[in-house]
Amino acid sequence: EAQVTQNPRYLITVTGKKLTVTCSQNMNHEYMSWYRQDPGLGLRQIYYSMNVEVTDKGDVPEGYKVSRKEKRNFPLILESPSPNQTSLYFCASSYPGLAGRNEQFFGPGTRLTVL
Amino acid sequence: GNSVTQMEGPVTLSEEAFLTINCTYTATGYPSLFWYVQYPGEGLQLLLKATKADDKGSNKGFEATYRKETTSFHLEKGSVQVSDSAVYFCALSVETSGSRLTFGEGTQLTVNP
Repeated sequence: EAQVTQNPRYLITVTGKKLTVTCSQNMNHEYMSWYRQDPGLGLRQIYYSMNVEVTDKGDVPEGYKVSRKEKRNFPLILESPSPNQTSLYFCASSYPGLAGRNEQFFGPGTRLTVL
Repeated sequence: GNSVTQMEGPVTLSEEAFLTINCTYTATGYPSLFWYVQYPGEGLQLLLKATKADDKGSNKGFEATYRKETTSFHLEKGSVQVSDSAVYFCALSVETSGSRLTFGEGTQLTVNP
């Protein structure tokens, strides 16, 4: 089954404790991306990757890191989480296309709470 | 910059009612437009899309027409069902942003039997 998986689905942590949220896709997509969803703000892009070893900042990258060592995986790293990073996080993937016309496939989400 | 504005929600309807969720956009260049749907506890799924002016996207009884003159992409359905209860997101992508999606705030739809 074609899918994007994320782990963990739920996480409660404390300020400053490094964490990683994993994302994996089995569709051989070049493009992967991380979004955060906050009430009243919709989804905002954190980082994206056009291919292996190619990553770039989205609209809200502060406090996050990513890496793309393999095509299928795109982990999101919070080196020192803070309460304002409490949010619902989604990973997405797609084939890159002209004018971004291609559908993006989303993972089920990771709900993160930072105390 | 690029932005998407959706009608304020939430929206509550009775089954078989007509649905309209308004979406307007601002974009540099020529955007592609999308509606994504998020069912409770799940990730987003593409509902429909349109990639050029006057295109109509349709799926599962939902429709939206790309109106360049009014910079709008309103979502409509003639007869909603309880199973349509979800959050609906309007989004755009422009050529210069690669595959980056710019989302609206989302509209919560609740359909009562």
